[in-house]
Amino acid sequence: DGGITQSPKYLFRKEGQNVTLSCEQNLNHDAMYWYRQDPGQGLRLIYYSQIVNDFQKGDIAEGYSVSREKKESFPLTVTSAQKNPTAFYLCASSGPNSPLHFGNGTRLTVT
Amino acid sequence: EDKVVQSPLSLVVHEGDTVTLNCSYEVTNFRSLLWYKQEKKAPTFLFMLTSSGIEKKSGRLSSILDKKELFSILNITATQTGDSAVYLCAVGVYSGAGSYQLTFGKGTKLSVIP
Repeated sequence: DGGITQSPKYLFRKEGQNVTLSCEQNLNHDAMYWYRQDPGQGLRLIYYSQIVNDFQKGDIAEGYSVSREKKESFPLTVTSAQKNPTAFYLCASSGPNSPLHFGNGTRLTVT
Repeated sequence: EDKVVQSPLSLVVHEGDTVTLNCSYEVTNFRSLLWYKQEKKAPTFLFMLTSSGIEKKSGRLSSILDKKELFSILNITATQTGDSAVYLCAVGVYSGAGSYQLTFGKGTKLSVIP
Protein backbone atom coordinates (compact mmCIF):
# COMPACT_ATOMS: atom_id res chain seq x y z
CA ASP A 1 0.00 0.00 0.00
CA GLY A 2 1.25 3.48 -0.85
CA GLY A 3 1.54 5.95 1.95
CA ILE A 4 3.61 8.02 4.34
CA THR A 5 5.29 6.44 7.34
CA GLN A 6 6.38 8.50 10.31
CA SER A 7 8.38 7.05 13.14
CA PRO A 8 8.41 6.81 16.02
CA LYS A 9 4.81 7.39 17.04
CA TYR A 10 5.81 8.74 20.45
CA LEU A 11 9.19 10.19 21.40
CA PHE A 12 10.47 11.41 24.74
CA ARG A 13 13.66 13.42 25.14
CA LYS A 14 15.47 15.46 27.74
CA GLU A 15 15.89 19.18 27.20
CA GLY A 16 19.13 20.02 25.40
CA GLN A 17 19.20 16.91 23.22
CA ASN A 18 18.76 16.94 19.46
CA VAL A 19 16.21 14.48 18.10
CA THR A 20 15.43 13.32 14.56
CA LEU A 21 11.94 12.40 13.34
CA SER A 22 11.68 10.07 10.39
CA CYS A 23 9.36 10.48 7.38
CA GLU A 24 9.31 8.05 4.44
CA GLN A 25 6.90 7.98 1.50
CA ASN A 26 6.40 5.48 -1.32
CA LEU A 27 3.95 7.59 -3.31
CA ASN A 28 6.64 8.84 -5.70
CA HIS A 29 5.78 12.42 -4.71
CA ASP A 30 8.29 15.17 -5.39
CA ALA A 31 7.10 17.55 -2.67
CA MET A 32 7.36 16.85 1.05
CA TYR A 33 6.44 18.98 4.06
CA TRP A 34 6.80 19.15 7.83
CA TYR A 35 4.10 20.72 9.99
CA ARG A 36 3.84 21.28 13.69
CA GLN A 37 0.47 21.13 15.45
CA ASP A 38 -0.20 22.60 18.89
CA PRO A 39 -3.59 22.65 20.64
CA GLY A 40 -5.73 25.49 19.28
CA GLN A 41 -3.05 26.52 16.79
CA GLY A 42 -3.83 24.57 13.65
CA LEU A 43 -0.94 23.33 11.49
CA ARG A 44 2.13 25.51 11.02
CA LEU A 45 4.70 24.88 8.29
CA ILE A 46 8.26 24.19 9.43
CA TYR A 47 10.10 23.21 6.23
CA TYR A 48 9.20 21.98 2.77
CA SER A 49 11.02 20.45 -0.16
CA GLN A 50 9.93 20.46 -3.78
CA ILE A 51 12.77 18.31 -5.13
CA VAL A 52 15.67 16.21 -3.92
CA ASN A 53 18.60 18.15 -2.44
CA ASP A 54 16.54 21.33 -2.11
CA PHE A 55 14.35 22.64 0.71
CA GLN A 56 12.91 25.92 1.96
CA LYS A 57 12.05 27.34 5.35
CA GLY A 58 8.42 27.60 6.31
CA ASP A 59 6.85 29.94 8.84
CA ILE A 60 8.49 28.49 11.97
CA ALA A 61 11.85 27.01 10.87
CA GLU A 62 13.95 28.33 13.77
CA GLY A 63 15.39 25.50 15.85
CA TYR A 64 14.74 22.87 13.19
CA SER A 65 16.77 21.38 10.34
CA VAL A 66 15.98 19.00 7.48
CA SER A 67 17.66 17.10 4.67
CA ARG A 68 16.36 15.68 1.41
CA GLU A 69 19.00 13.29 0.09
CA LYS A 70 16.46 10.86 -1.34
CA LYS A 71 13.05 11.42 -2.91
CA GLU A 72 11.42 9.04 -0.43
CA SER A 73 12.85 10.50 2.77
CA PHE A 74 12.57 13.86 4.52
CA PRO A 75 13.84 13.63 8.13
CA LEU A 76 13.35 16.51 10.56
CA THR A 77 15.83 17.27 13.34
CA VAL A 78 14.56 19.19 16.34
CA THR A 79 17.62 20.90 17.80
CA SER A 80 18.27 22.13 21.31
CA ALA A 81 17.79 25.66 19.95
CA GLN A 82 14.03 25.06 19.57
CA LYS A 83 12.55 26.81 22.58
CA ASN A 84 9.32 24.85 22.89
CA PRO A 85 9.71 21.54 21.05
CA THR A 86 6.90 19.56 22.68
CA ALA A 87 4.25 19.17 19.98
CA PHE A 88 2.64 16.86 17.44
CA TYR A 89 4.65 16.73 14.20
CA LEU A 90 3.06 15.83 10.88
CA CYS A 91 4.84 14.98 7.65
CA ALA A 92 3.07 15.27 4.30
CA SER A 93 3.74 14.80 0.62
CA SER A 94 2.04 15.79 -2.60
CA GLY A 95 2.24 15.23 -6.32
CA PRO A 96 1.49 17.78 -9.04
CA ASN A 97 -2.03 19.29 -8.65
CA SER A 98 -2.87 16.85 -5.88
CA PRO A 99 -3.81 17.44 -2.24
CA LEU A 100 -1.38 16.77 0.60
CA HIS A 101 -1.28 13.27 2.03
CA PHE A 102 -0.31 13.10 5.68
CA GLY A 103 1.50 10.58 7.83
CA ASN A 104 0.12 9.55 11.23
CA GLY A 105 2.38 11.95 13.09
CA THR A 106 4.98 11.82 15.84
CA ARG A 107 4.16 13.15 19.28
CA LEU A 108 7.34 14.59 20.79
CA THR A 109 7.60 15.34 24.50
CA VAL A 110 10.66 17.14 25.83
CA THR A 111 11.14 17.41 29.59
CA GLU B 1 0.91 37.67 5.54
CA ASP B 2 -1.47 34.94 4.37
CA LYS B 3 -4.39 34.34 6.69
CA VAL B 4 -7.03 31.61 6.97
CA VAL B 5 -9.79 31.99 9.56
CA GLN B 6 -12.24 29.27 10.49
CA SER B 7 -15.44 29.66 12.45
CA PRO B 8 -16.78 28.58 14.77
CA LEU B 9 -13.75 27.16 16.62
CA SER B 10 -15.94 24.56 18.26
CA LEU B 11 -19.46 23.30 17.84
CA VAL B 12 -21.64 20.77 19.66
CA VAL B 13 -24.69 19.34 17.88
CA HIS B 14 -27.07 16.41 18.22
CA GLU B 15 -27.13 13.49 15.84
CA GLY B 16 -29.28 14.28 12.83
CA ASP B 17 -28.56 18.03 12.87
CA THR B 18 -27.13 19.84 9.86
CA VAL B 19 -23.98 21.92 10.39
CA THR B 20 -22.18 24.56 8.37
CA LEU B 21 -18.49 25.26 8.93
CA ASN B 22 -16.96 28.47 7.63
CA CYS B 23 -13.55 29.33 6.23
CA SER B 24 -12.48 32.81 5.09
CA TYR B 25 -9.11 33.71 3.70
CA GLU B 26 -6.80 36.56 2.71
CA VAL B 27 -3.90 35.29 0.63
CA THR B 28 -1.86 36.29 -2.39
CA ASN B 29 -1.49 33.95 -5.38
CA PHE B 30 -4.48 31.76 -4.51
CA ARG B 31 -4.40 28.34 -6.10
CA SER B 32 -6.88 26.13 -4.22
CA LEU B 33 -8.82 25.63 -0.99
CA LEU B 34 -8.84 22.27 0.74
CA TRP B 35 -10.87 20.72 3.55
CA TYR B 36 -9.49 17.97 5.78
CA LYS B 37 -11.00 15.90 8.62
CA GLN B 38 -8.73 15.10 11.55
CA GLU B 39 -9.77 12.57 14.16
CA LYS B 40 -6.84 11.40 16.22
CA LYS B 41 -3.88 11.38 13.88
CA ALA B 42 -3.42 12.16 10.20
CA PRO B 43 -5.75 14.68 8.57
CA THR B 44 -7.70 12.94 5.82
CA PHE B 45 -8.55 14.76 2.62
CA LEU B 46 -12.17 15.72 1.97
CA PHE B 47 -12.35 18.27 -0.86
CA MET B 48 -10.19 20.48 -3.04
CA LEU B 49 -11.87 23.54 -4.55
CA THR B 50 -10.42 25.74 -7.24
CA SER B 51 -13.43 27.31 -8.98
CA SER B 52 -16.14 29.54 -7.57
CA GLY B 53 -19.72 28.36 -7.32
CA ILE B 54 -19.19 24.69 -8.11
CA GLU B 55 -20.38 22.48 -5.28
CA LYS B 56 -18.38 19.37 -4.46
CA LYS B 57 -20.32 16.59 -2.79
CA SER B 58 -19.44 13.33 -1.10
CA GLY B 59 -22.26 11.56 0.68
CA ARG B 60 -23.57 13.80 3.45
CA LEU B 61 -20.72 16.30 3.03
CA SER B 62 -20.61 19.14 0.54
CA SER B 63 -18.51 22.24 0.04
CA ILE B 64 -18.50 25.34 -2.11
CA LEU B 65 -16.05 28.17 -2.75
CA ASP B 66 -16.71 31.87 -3.33
CA LYS B 67 -13.55 33.46 -4.76
CA LYS B 68 -15.11 36.91 -4.92
CA GLU B 69 -16.02 37.03 -1.23
CA LEU B 70 -13.00 34.87 -0.27
CA PHE B 71 -14.69 32.15 1.71
CA SER B 72 -15.78 28.55 1.63
CA ILE B 73 -18.33 26.53 3.57
CA LEU B 74 -18.42 22.86 4.48
CA ASN B 75 -21.90 21.41 5.07
CA ILE B 76 -22.63 18.17 6.86
CA THR B 77 -26.23 16.94 6.80
CA ALA B 78 -27.81 14.33 9.10
CA THR B 79 -24.74 14.33 11.35
CA GLN B 80 -23.57 11.12 13.01
CA THR B 81 -21.29 10.56 16.01
CA GLY B 82 -18.60 9.43 13.55
CA ASP B 83 -18.50 12.97 12.17
CA SER B 84 -16.97 14.17 15.45
CA ALA B 85 -13.53 15.50 14.51
CA VAL B 86 -11.54 18.65 13.88
CA TYR B 87 -12.21 20.02 10.40
CA LEU B 88 -9.30 21.87 8.89
CA CYS B 89 -9.44 24.40 6.08
CA ALA B 90 -6.26 25.11 4.12
CA VAL B 91 -5.51 27.49 1.28
CA GLY B 92 -2.87 26.62 -1.30
CA VAL B 93 -0.76 29.44 -2.64
CA TYR B 94 2.05 29.71 -5.14
CA SER B 95 5.17 30.74 -3.25
CA GLY B 96 7.67 31.48 -5.99
CA ALA B 97 10.00 29.39 -8.17
CA GLY B 98 7.12 27.06 -9.02
CA SER B 99 6.62 26.01 -5.42
CA TYR B 100 3.31 25.65 -3.66
CA GLN B 101 2.38 25.53 0.01
CA LEU B 102 -0.68 25.38 2.24
CA THR B 103 -1.70 27.78 4.98
CA PHE B 104 -4.03 26.18 7.51
CA GLY B 105 -6.75 27.65 9.68
CA LYS B 106 -6.96 26.69 13.35
CA GLY B 107 -9.73 24.19 12.70
CA THR B 108 -13.31 23.72 13.87
CA LYS B 109 -13.82 21.05 16.51
CA LEU B 110 -17.18 19.36 15.89
CA SER B 111 -18.74 17.18 18.56
CA VAL B 112 -21.85 15.19 17.66
CA ILE B 113 -23.75 13.81 20.65
CA PRO B 114 -26.27 10.97 20.43
